[in-house]
Amino acid sequence: AQKITQTQPGMFVQEKEAVTLDCTYDTSDPSYGLFWYKQPSSGEMIFLIYQGSYDQQNATEGRYSLNFQKARKSANLVISASQLGDSAMYFCAMREDPSNSGYALNFGKGTSLLVTP
Amino acid sequence: SAVISQKPSRDICQRGTSLTIQCQVDSQVTMMFWYRQQPGQSLTLIATANQGSEATYESGFVIDKFPISRPNLTFSTLTVSNMSPEDSSIYLCSAGVAEGLDEQFFGPGTRLTVL
Repeated sequence: AQKITQTQPGMFVQEKEAVTLDCTYDTSDPSYGLFWYKQPSSGEMIFLIYQGSYDQQNATEGRYSLNFQKARKSANLVISASQLGDSAMYFCAMREDPSNSGYALNFGKGTSLLVTP
Repeated sequence: SAVISQKPSRDICQRGTSLTIQCQVDSQVTMMFWYRQQPGQSLTLIATANQGSEATYESGFVIDKFPISRPNLTFSTLTVSNMSPEDSSIYLCSAGVAEGLDEQFFGPGTRLTVL
C-alpha cells in the first residue's frame, strides 16, 4: 500500500503568490517524521522542512511552512511568495518508527511545480 | 548538516559492463543509504549501507546486482553490475545521524545512461 500520496502531478502558480502542495500519509506508528524535498532539473535532492509526529507546532523554514493535520494524516507544504527558482519537483517523504521500519524514507510520487512570471 | 559528494556525476555505459559510484560525506554519520530514481519516477530505496558488514537490501534488489561497501563512517560505494538499459536512472546517496532523525541529506546524484 502506498504510504505517501501526492495527488497533484503538476501545479502552476504565479510569481509572488502562495501555493500549497498536498501530501497525505498512512502509518500506524505513533512516532514518525515527515519531510519535504525539492528536486530541480539538475537532479539533486534539497531538504526543505521536517515535521515530527509529536511536534505541537507546524514547522516553518523561511518561505516554507508545513500545514500538519495529524487527525487527517496530511502534511501539506505551503510556499509563500513564490519565486521563479521554486520551479521544480517536490517530494513528500516519511520515516516511520525506526525500531519497526529502520531509518529509510518512503517517498511520494512528487508534484511538479511551475512558477510563471 | 552533512555535505555529500558523489562520483561520477554522470556516465554513459555499455550493456553488460559495471559501474562503481562513490559517496563521500564530510562528517561522520550513522546512516547511509542508496536510492534509485528511474526516469520520471520517485525515489526507491535500494539498500542501507552498514559499516563493516553486509548491506541491508530492499525487496527487489540483490547483492549480486548492486554490491555495496561501507568501509568507514564517511564513505560508501554502490556498484551497478552487468548493466542493461533498464538500469538507466539517477542513483542517489543519502546520509543522516540516527540521533538526528529530523535530518537526512542527499548527494547530488549520479545520472547513469546504459546503451
